[in-house]
Formats: sequence, C-alpha cells, structure tokens
Amino acid sequence: GAVVSQHPSWVICKSGTSVKIECRSLDFQATTMFWYRQFPKQSLMLMATSNEGSKATYEQGVEKDKFLINHASLTLSTLTVTSAHPEDSSFYICSAYQLGTGRAGNIQYFGAGTRLSVL
Amino acid sequence: QKEVEQDPGPLSVPEGAIVSLNCTYSNSAFQYFMWYRQYSRKGPELLMYTYSSGNKEDGRFTAQVDKSSKYISLFIRDSQPSDSATYLCAMTSGNQFYFGTGTSLTVIP
Repeated sequence: GAVVSQHPSWVICKSGTSVKIECRSLDFQATTMFWYRQFPKQSLMLMATSNEGSKATYEQGVEKDKFLINHASLTLSTLTVTSAHPEDSSFYICSAYQLGTGRAGNIQYFGAGTRLSVL
Repeated sequence: QKEVEQDPGPLSVPEGAIVSLNCTYSNSAFQYFMWYRQYSRKGPELLMYTYSSGNKEDGRFTAQVDKSSKYISLFIRDSQPSDSATYLCAMTSGNQFYFGTGTSLTVIP
C-alpha cells in the first residue's frame, strides 16, 4: 500500500517547450502533495505544496508562472514546467500524504522522480 | 539553528558491518519520525517510521527515537553492498515536514 506513481521517469525536450509531470497516489487519497527539485548529490529542495482543490503554495524563489501546479483531485497532481530552458534541467520528485489515521497518515510517500533534460 | 541536523558523510563501511545513522532535531513538537533510503536518480523510499519515542525493528533495520535527547537513529545490521545509498531522516509536526540533508553510505564488498 501507500504507492505514489510519477510519470514520466525521464523526459528530454527542446528549449522553449513545456513539460508536464504527473503524480498519482494509487491506493490512498492525498489531501496534500509536494513537489521537490533535487540537484546531483544534493538534498531535496521543496518547491511547492499542493492541496487538493486550492492553489499551490510556492516556496520563496520558485517562480509560480514557470512551475504550474494543479491538484484537481485527491489522487492526482501535475507539475508543468513552462517554456523550459537548460537551467530547468533537474530531477523532480513528488510526494503525497494523508493527514490522519492509517498507514499513510502523517507520512510522505515519494514518487520515483522525473529526470528532465532540456536541450 | 536548523530544525533537523544530519551528518552528510560520506560514510564507508565494509560489508557485514553495523551502520549507525543519526539525526538531531530542535522542535519538541515532532511526532512522526521517518527514515528514507534514496538510490541515485530515484525517489526516496520509506524504510521505517516511528510514532513518538521508542524502538522499531524490521529485519536488519532498527529505528530508535529518543525524544528527551531529540535524537533519532537508524541501525543497519549485517550491511550489504545493496544498502549503499543516501539515507534521509524526516520528522513531522502536524502537516509540517522537515528533512535532514541525507547521509551518503557506501558498503564495500
């Protein structure tokens, strides 16, 4: 149980194009999902917190117009990198959790990550 | 002071050794304590979680929480080369999550 699926695992795109990354909680309803960015050999960097049905909360320094987050249902959040440039190349990871009881309660479960390469 | 402190290592041990990974924290309101394992270019995988103080064992892994000292540990017995990864500690207070920076572990055959 408590599986989070992230797709795609790797995407290569041309500079200027937009890329959408999906994050799904497969066996629980995620009231909150998180999006992280990770550079090689560095720790997770929280980009934004996404609550179902409301606007995402972005961390300081993260451009909300560049990184569009949609959390339209309790099992799906998407991150769209708009007009991607080479400096956006990174490893993006989502996570989901459900506040409350059960195995998924108060614990973040992570997706496998998406490696974005912008040429 | 950071909410969570974790020695980044790197840590290298021979196969079969006992590994001790640790984190300290400052917020006494933390209730859930977790350890994640992250292989290169993969998302973190939940290894262990503990609610409040105490020990929890799962196979070769033991998680300890000492809330009085604000100190958590992960022990790995009979370490294997497949345990080579980065280990992240994490803790929560309500819906606020805090992660350590991760400790890089290499188990040498």
